[in-house]
Amino acid sequence: QSALTQPASVSGSPGQSITISCTGTSSDVGSYNLVSWYQQHPGKAPKLMIYEGSKRPSGVSNRFSGSKSGNTASLTISGLQAEDEADYYCCSYAGSSTYVVFGGGTKLTVL
Amino acid sequence: QVQLQESGPGLVKPSQTLSLTCTVSGGSISSGSYYWSWIRQPAGKGLEWIGRIYTSGSTNYNPSLKSRVTISVDTSKNQFSLKLSSVTAADTAVYYCARDRGRGATFRGDYWGQGTLVTVSS
Repeated sequence: QSALTQPASVSGSPGQSITISCTGTSSDVGSYNLVSWYQQHPGKAPKLMIYEGSKRPSGVSNRFSGSKSGNTASLTISGLQAEDEADYYCCSYAGSSTYVVFGGGTKLTVL
Repeated sequence: QVQLQESGPGLVKPSQTLSLTCTVSGGSISSGSYYWSWIRQPAGKGLEWIGRIYTSGSTNYNPSLKSRVTISVDTSKNQFSLKLSSVTAADTAVYYCARDRGRGATFRGDYWGQGTLVTVSS
């Protein structure tokens, strides 16, 4: 069982927007603005899409955005494209004993 | 462009020690304020952070694996390594190495290896 809870799947049509939630606790997501999001295509290594809650690495489309409210972080993808179909994982700092926790992953299907 | 490449046996017997090495190219493992992390992913399942090392030798480990994990660094070879002892079938996974810009707090993996499958079986 993963420390952070994500929906198993979400879907959307091309051009639409979708949001993936990542629910933690006051010991991880709620206490730190240190959530990151990773995109993983089948058979590939994960790719960093968002870090420190809402920052995008160079080269990542501005269609990807991150936010947080309380113990829940969210990844929003606007203007869905076929190549966005992938698994998405959230990750959070969880303090100086546990350090890093991941969500169980969400499969995004572009209809 | 930084590149990472995992190497090591693809098959390990139960109760033995899994050993993997990550070779970093395109930059010195000692330059910059980077940590170097290991992450694994069982087939069809999610990501699990194993631990990380700073070039000073300072390490952080996942508490659930801490008793079995050792991560080390060899700056002369631009490599860092993972040892996981007393393995069982539950340790069968794709193992990734990654450069971590999380400054010792969160994991911020900006460069990853391609991953290597390690199967635990007799």
